[in-house]
Amino acid sequence: TQLLEQSPQFLSIQEGENLTVYCNSSSVFSSLQWYRQEPGEGPVLLVTVVTGGEVKKLKRLTFQFGDARKDSSLHITAAQPGDTGLYLCAAQGAQKLVFGQGTRLTINP
Amino acid sequence: DSGVTQTPKHLITATGQRVTLRCSPRSGDLSVYWYQQSLDQGLQFLIQYYNGEERAKGNILERFSAQQFPDLHSELNLSSLELGDSALYFCASSVGPSVAGREQFFGPGTRLTVL
Repeated sequence: TQLLEQSPQFLSIQEGENLTVYCNSSSVFSSLQWYRQEPGEGPVLLVTVVTGGEVKKLKRLTFQFGDARKDSSLHITAAQPGDTGLYLCAAQGAQKLVFGQGTRLTINP
Repeated sequence: DSGVTQTPKHLITATGQRVTLRCSPRSGDLSVYWYQQSLDQGLQFLIQYYNGEERAKGNILERFSAQQFPDLHSELNLSSLELGDSALYFCASSVGPSVAGREQFFGPGTRLTVL
């Protein structure tokens, strides 16, 4: 069974600070996705990374896929209260997506 | 708004009861996925249907069953409910049969509370 470990589980920081959250596994993945989930809503896809070493940017969010395609990171620059939410990484398993436990991020004004 | 609708939004019931959760996928999507999200287990894949046929099965209990109808809406039936079944249940949809690199669009979820 493929397991995705996300760290930290909880993160609370002040507006304007930078942060990085991680998604790690011992397995190699063909692709990895990052989702954000806000309270009362379903997860929303932010990005899909496919190539080892790939870096994708989405405004203040930078996503990186590890060279060995076993891990990924999400870096947020100058965090804003609107970034608050649960960040989930997900990898393609056998016919299904496997999700990490998530990082619950709180940005304080 | 993802275009995926789920009803009801909240459901409170007692142990031993049976409930039905309903999902309508985005227009044009043929695949429907069901997930369970609890605090201790995270988001767990239950089952997938593609164009009316079961496509993939995950950690779905025998007390749970699902189906996809000709109009592509799907229902998840949960029976002999236990306290531990209390969770958020999400439906997601996608165009094709495979999850490979594809985006799934999630509905707003149904919060089930078993008392």
